[in-house]
Amino acid sequence: SQTIHQWPATLVQPVGSPLSLECTVEGTSNPNLYWYRQAAGRGLQLLFYSVGIGQISSEVPQNLSASRPQDRQFILSSKKLLLSDSGFYLCAWSVQSLAKNIQYFGAGTRLSVL
Amino acid sequence: AQSVTQLDSQVPVFEEAPVELRCNYSSSVSVYLFWYVQYPNQGLQLLLKYLSGSTLVKGINGFEAEFNKSQTSFHLRKPSVHISDTAEYFCAVSEGGSYIPTFGRGTSLIVHP
Repeated sequence: SQTIHQWPATLVQPVGSPLSLECTVEGTSNPNLYWYRQAAGRGLQLLFYSVGIGQISSEVPQNLSASRPQDRQFILSSKKLLLSDSGFYLCAWSVQSLAKNIQYFGAGTRLSVL
Repeated sequence: AQSVTQLDSQVPVFEEAPVELRCNYSSSVSVYLFWYVQYPNQGLQLLLKYLSGSTLVKGINGFEAEFNKSQTSFHLRKPSVHISDTAEYFCAVSEGGSYIPTFGRGTSLIVHP
């Protein structure tokens, strides 16, 4: 069966520090991968998605970047965090080539930038 | 372009009462529709989906939803809620050929004893 791992679960970082959040998927090949951010009391904001290794699409211009160094690994990064980067970050995957794309989510990372 | 509107940001209800969470969408093509649930400090998980066929779909935990094409709606219902149903519920729509579903802003269901 497929599983998705996301870590760390919580993170407290000072303003101006770097960030690296990792997400890995097991039990499937060539998935679509997604990074979302959920601010307090708001819906999901799609940040990045990827349909293959090295292929990253950005939905919102911002202080963050994403990379996909391996088929089932998706990394969210920042060189210098801002206060506004605080939020709940969710990684998700779906089966490629299907518009009927059920998304499977990780447990999330709660990031607090102080 | 597709869009999703969840009309209620918060729905308070007493335990064992029925509930309906509303979702309307706009799209110019055929769509696939989903409801996800998010418990506190967790990721989202699929409740149910409409892909084709019967317009009444049943999901986990006793929830069901009805696809109404003429009204472009996909409302979620449960005849009798439990305290454990307290969570955030998200409606999502996906168009054929798109990798990117669009999520509504979510409805917070609060079940009171």
